[in-house]
Amino acid sequence: QSALTQPRSVSGSPGQSVTISCAGTSSDVGGYDYVSWYQQHPGKAPKLLIYDVIKRPSGVPDRFSGSKSGNTASLTISGLQVDDEADYYCCSYAGSYTSLFGGGTKLTVL
Amino acid sequence: QVQLVQSGSELRKPGSSVKISCKTSGETFSTYLVCWVRQAPGQGLEWMGSIIPAYGTATYAQRFHDRATITADGTTTTVYMELSSLESEDTAMYYCARDPLADVGAIPRGPDYWGPGTLVTVSS
Repeated sequence: QSALTQPRSVSGSPGQSVTISCAGTSSDVGGYDYVSWYQQHPGKAPKLLIYDVIKRPSGVPDRFSGSKSGNTASLTISGLQVDDEADYYCCSYAGSYTSLFGGGTKLTVL
Repeated sequence: QVQLVQSGSELRKPGSSVKISCKTSGETFSTYLVCWVRQAPGQGLEWMGSIIPAYGTATYAQRFHDRATITADGTTTTVYMELSSLESEDTAMYYCARDPLADVGAIPRGPDYWGPGTLVTVSS
């Protein structure tokens, strides 16, 4: 199984919005509504931002939102803040009780 | 508060094995799936495998199916991951994480809580 495809990097200015895509296939992203997104700051464990494609855990700001169209999921961060600068990963169920991560996207807040 | 407590850093020689642990709570052990995810230096996250501790059933990513063994001990609510035939490319941070199961089909929905990680270094 190949990793889900994410852009290597995205950037935006404080207050702007950015969208990170996560492209898969009908066997993973497109086949199930079990896509999650994670934020990882350097030296830290990943933190869950979005699960079940669109749901936010308690405590995650509504500036973070998820969506899916066909075989591609997306994470949108609105009202960018300096602390949003981090690496972001998508994860999808991939059948046969396995999961698959994206390659990761580095977000730079200019 | 959900806590996953992982064992300490390990240094191994090429060709050897390593077994790392992840201490969970009773609720996590009996109700959730626990997965292992690794991250090589400067690289992304890689899903290695998982286990439903309550049933002892493990599943592995294809590239690890013959080298990784995930087990669970109900008396200590601890999950273990053993990786054999180590190579320098196995040098990485290894995370255990709790993964909720869907109501239908017991499908993993994506990890929600993560341990702090265990650094495994493979070097001669």
